[in-house]
Amino acid sequence: DAKTTQPPSMDCAEGRAANLPCNHSTISGNEYVYWYRQIHSQGPQYIIHGLKNNETNEMASLIITEDRKSSTLILPHATLRDTAVYYCIVNSGGSNYKLTFGKGTLLTVNP
Amino acid sequence: DTAVSQTPKYLVTQMGNDKSIKCEQNLGHDTMYWYKQDSKKFLKIMFSYNNKELIINETVPNRFSPKSPDKAHLNLHINSLELGDSAVYFCASSREGGSVAGGGYTFGSGTRLTVV
Repeated sequence: DAKTTQPPSMDCAEGRAANLPCNHSTISGNEYVYWYRQIHSQGPQYIIHGLKNNETNEMASLIITEDRKSSTLILPHATLRDTAVYYCIVNSGGSNYKLTFGKGTLLTVNP
Repeated sequence: DTAVSQTPKYLVTQMGNDKSIKCEQNLGHDTMYWYKQDSKKFLKIMFSYNNKELIINETVPNRFSPKSPDKAHLNLHINSLELGDSAVYFCASSREGGSVAGGGYTFGSGTRLTVV
């Protein structure tokens, strides 16, 4: 699986957009970008995934660069409940039977 | 209804004891997993089961023995507990081994194991 690089921490003001970057320069053609988050003391939660097109769901938007070497997760209106560790994971689209988590980005949303 | 439920939520036990953690999912998923999150917060895969068959054993000591009586359950039994086993253990499930067609993983809320 391709490696990902994320900043260890970020801050965001409540109500503003949170933009979380991820570098995955060694991503291969059949690999997807997945985002999960882990709120303190809870299990990880799936947010969104994409291959090459931008994606949006009720939780977030995912912007993938044209060369697919980086992506940005956007929380359009961050709330205090969005404070969590956010993991960017690259995985093939097939049955892998595992997710490999890195260190992630601790996003702190401030009032 | 909780999608992936683990019991117990907290477990404190002495070194050398044997303990079990249970996991059940009601999502109709065919693949289940155990993950370990240590004190440094790294999440690592331990085991993957698909339709009750072991698919991945990520070099876990054989003191750890998972058992899947059916597709909806994956229990974790740990023998001769050691201090280093203290961690949070997460159960998860997915369809089709986590393929993109199967959707994302769903995790349980974790079992905090403390060995004293």
